Amino acid sequence: NAGVTQTPKFQVLKTGQSMTLQCAQDMNHEYMSWYRQDPGMGLRLIHYSVGAGITDQGEVPNGYNVSRSTTEDFPLRLLSAAPSQTSVYFCASSYSRGRFRDEQYFGPGTRLTVT
Amino acid sequence: AQKVTQAQTEISVVEKEDVTLDCVYETRDTTYYLFWYKQPPSGELVFLIRRNSFDEQNEISGRYSWNFQKSTSSFNFTITASQVVDSAVYFCALMDYGQNFVFGPGTRLSVLP
Repeated sequence: NAGVTQTPKFQVLKTGQSMTLQCAQDMNHEYMSWYRQDPGMGLRLIHYSVGAGITDQGEVPNGYNVSRSTTEDFPLRLLSAAPSQTSVYFCASSYSRGRFRDEQYFGPGTRLTVT
Repeated sequence: AQKVTQAQTEISVVEKEDVTLDCVYETRDTTYYLFWYKQPPSGELVFLIRRNSFDEQNEISGRYSWNFQKSTSSFNFTITASQVVDSAVYFCALMDYGQNFVFGPGTRLSVLP
């Protein structure tokens, strides 16, 4: 099992550009999520999905879109990059059944810089 | 609302010392889960432990131990005989049943040789 994979590992964008961060998991997990990590603030939830075709907003969703067309993939789209979106982005997945969710497994992260 | 507080921003110890990382949580739910994750300098997030709100037994895994006390809403993590490889940022997290994870701000542990 590859677990949770993310691409790219590093990215530099100019203000106003758009891009998609890719996330895939091969553990057949229903629950997937995106976080951003900023110094001193822990991990903050951007968007999450409880299954294919179902997504919802987390704590800091502005400026980001997601979709979940398959169980395996959960891409995160930056619509018009801003310097405030400079951060490390983590994708995670976990087994879920009804309201129960297991621990999350994280991808290696994407370090994004917006100039 | 859920909240996790890790009051210790940074801790520095000398190798072989014991160290305790504090975690205090807030929740209105009676069913919830608590987690600890480790983030070494390489940046990945490593799952360490999960605890549910109905199991207050302390847990020991090698040099790691966890003390869960519902009365004080705390889930503290102790490393015994610390080693340089324990240097990392440690995150405590809370998940109310059916909800999302909420992470604390993390504690950076430096273990000096």
